[in-house]
Amino acid sequence: GAVVSQHPSRVICKSGTSVKIECRSLDFQATTMFWYRQFPKQSLMLMATSNEGSKATYEQGVEKDKFLINHASLTLSTLTVTSAHPEDSSFYICSARKAGERNEQFFGPGTRLTVL
Amino acid sequence: GEDVEQSLFLSVREGDSSVINCTYTDSSSTYLYWYKQEPGAGLQLLTYIFSNMDMKQDQRLTVLLNKKDKHLSLRIADTQTGDSAIYFCAERRSGQNFVFGPGTRLSVLP
Repeated sequence: GAVVSQHPSRVICKSGTSVKIECRSLDFQATTMFWYRQFPKQSLMLMATSNEGSKATYEQGVEKDKFLINHASLTLSTLTVTSAHPEDSSFYICSARKAGERNEQFFGPGTRLTVL
Repeated sequence: GEDVEQSLFLSVREGDSSVINCTYTDSSSTYLYWYKQEPGAGLQLLTYIFSNMDMKQDQRLTVLLNKKDKHLSLRIADTQTGDSAIYFCAERRSGQNFVFGPGTRLSVLP
């Protein structure tokens, strides 16, 4: 298989706090991981691409200092939403690509963030 | 334009066939995908097709690709209530990034 997990599945936090979301590839090594954001009833918007051991590449309009991405190992990437505000409330989905395979991404189950 | 387009809603009766349509934009896209998303869940890959193919069949799923018109469709035969979900088409562009359509919400009526 190719299973990707995310933790937590749901998080509620107060405005101004930081939240860390983990994305793990459970049974394969992921050289590249992607972070998406999905607003209600909308499609996925790519936020950033992270390669293991290097800095993430952010899409235009995504604030690097607000959405910190770390891809420290071949099985783990983290997204930290810093100083969260209510407008950051969304569904965050990660995906992972196996080493040597460019044609498929395996998606995590998503994390629903609610900022009060 | 730059967007991948899909109709937003589709309702079918249980047992009928469903056809979900998608138009994409990048003629150099090498792979095109169909994903299924159930409520509150992530995306599940249903199938994908290489751009030099016209058709791909996998059990109840048939994908048709018209590369000239940049049109992709997903046909689900004998649609069941468990098929109710949002279906996203996506293209893998030359820069390797996936671009998703807005999703089609399929409702299966008893």
